[in-house]
Amino acid sequence: GAGVSQSPSNKVTEKGKDVELRCDPISGHTALYWYRQSLGQGLEFLIYFQGNSAPDKSGLPSDRFSAERTGGSVSTLTIQRTQQEDSAVYLCASSLLGVGNTGELFFGEGSRLTVL
Amino acid sequence: AQSVTQPDIHITVSEGASLELRCNYSYGATPYLFWYVQSPGQGLQLLLKYFSGDTLVQGIKGFEAEFKRSQSSFNLRKPSVHWSDAAEYFCAVGRGSTLGRLYFGRGTQLTVWP
Repeated sequence: GAGVSQSPSNKVTEKGKDVELRCDPISGHTALYWYRQSLGQGLEFLIYFQGNSAPDKSGLPSDRFSAERTGGSVSTLTIQRTQQEDSAVYLCASSLLGVGNTGELFFGEGSRLTVL
Repeated sequence: AQSVTQPDIHITVSEGASLELRCNYSYGATPYLFWYVQSPGQGLQLLLKYFSGDTLVQGIKGFEAEFKRSQSSFNLRKPSVHWSDAAEYFCAVGRGSTLGRLYFGRGTQLTVWP
């Protein structure tokens, strides 16, 4: 597609349930990032995938959070046993690294998660 | 550790007035610096970036920013603000051409009075 696509755009769930958030990056972009945006907290880095390298998971806040990227394209962020503090907007971004790298991250519009 | 500080949480200006949004960073090497804008209900959009060279960089929508190494700052400026500039602005720092993670500030919300 033309841009980074995220789904669902809105998700309301009950505390303790698992949720999956999907990101479809720009075709050909080798790097994919997940960030979390909480009210008044700016953007918090979660995880970064680059090509076939091991992902940088240093930002995942707990072992309830995991992410995978299949075939170097689509990524899924999974939150298990959701808690109310997980409520936030989850942003996905992709970028083109290597030849032609402009350093720009292209962001999706985010998935707003509300945990009741 | 890397960090970005945007000291102003909220700024209000009149349309046509000049604007400066402050950004200070903490980084142990030559930083790669970015400003992004987020309009309501939209994703973040890159305004401009600094990698090297001329410390005054021009961006889209009439914005510019100046990198001052001695002050560890990368302030965003616009000579005349338009109502459509009302949005949230984020400063970010990264490292190297591989970038990896970007560290973002908490953002500055800009309100423009007509």
